Amino acid sequence: SQTIHQWPATLVQPVGSPLSLECTVEGTSNPNLYWYRQAAGRGLQLLFYSVGIGQISSEVPQNLSASRPQDRQFILSSKKLLLSDSGFYLCAWSAAIFNEKLFFGSGTQLSVL
Amino acid sequence: QKEVEQNSGPLSVPEGAIASLNCTYSDRVSQSFFWYRQYSGKSPELIMSIYSNGDKEDGRFTAQLNKASQYVSLLIRDSQPSDSATYLCAVNNDKIIFGKGTRLHILP
Repeated sequence: SQTIHQWPATLVQPVGSPLSLECTVEGTSNPNLYWYRQAAGRGLQLLFYSVGIGQISSEVPQNLSASRPQDRQFILSSKKLLLSDSGFYLCAWSAAIFNEKLFFGSGTQLSVL
Repeated sequence: QKEVEQNSGPLSVPEGAIASLNCTYSDRVSQSFFWYRQYSGKSPELIMSIYSNGDKEDGRFTAQLNKASQYVSLLIRDSQPSDSATYLCAVNNDKIIFGKGTRLHILP
C-alpha cells in the first residue's frame, strides 16, 4: 500500500532563516505531488505541484520554492522566512494530476517568530 | 474566480442524530467532488468521493450531488462524538479547490 512521509512535525524558525521541508511517497511510481499551506482560520492553499522529476508548477508567487530531485521526493524550501509563512504545511500525492483523490502526509506546523 | 463555499459553523448535533454538511461551488464544469475530515492539528483524510448526480452511501456517510444546483452535501447518520472534526469540501475541474471547512461538534 502507498504511504506518504512528511517531516518534521513541528518547526519553530526565526524570521529570515532558511527552510527545508521534505516529503517522500512509498508504494507507487510517478505520483503527482503537491504542497499545500493551511493558515489559521483559512482554507487549504495550493502552493506547488509536480507531475514528474524536475517539473514544478507554482500556484502562488512568494518566497517559497519547491524541488523534486527524485520520483517520490518533494522538497519545499525558502531562503528567508517571513512571519506570514507561518502555517500548517501539507504534502499530498495523487495517482493522476488533479483528477484523482488526494492523500495527505501528516503535516508540518511551522511557526515563524 | 473558482470558489467552494461552506458554512464555517460550528454545527452542533446531538449524538445519534443526522449531521448535514453543505457545500456550493461556482464552476459549472467541475467533474469530481470530495469530502475530507480533518481533526484539529491533523492532516485531512478522504472520506467520500462522488462523481455523478445523486446519492452515494458508504457506511454512516452519504454524499449527495446536484450539478444543476452546483451543490454537494454530506450526511452523517448516527453521529458519534468521534465525528467531531472539520469537514472540507473539495471540487475538481482542472485544479482541486478546497472550501474553508465546516466545524462539526457532536454533543454527547
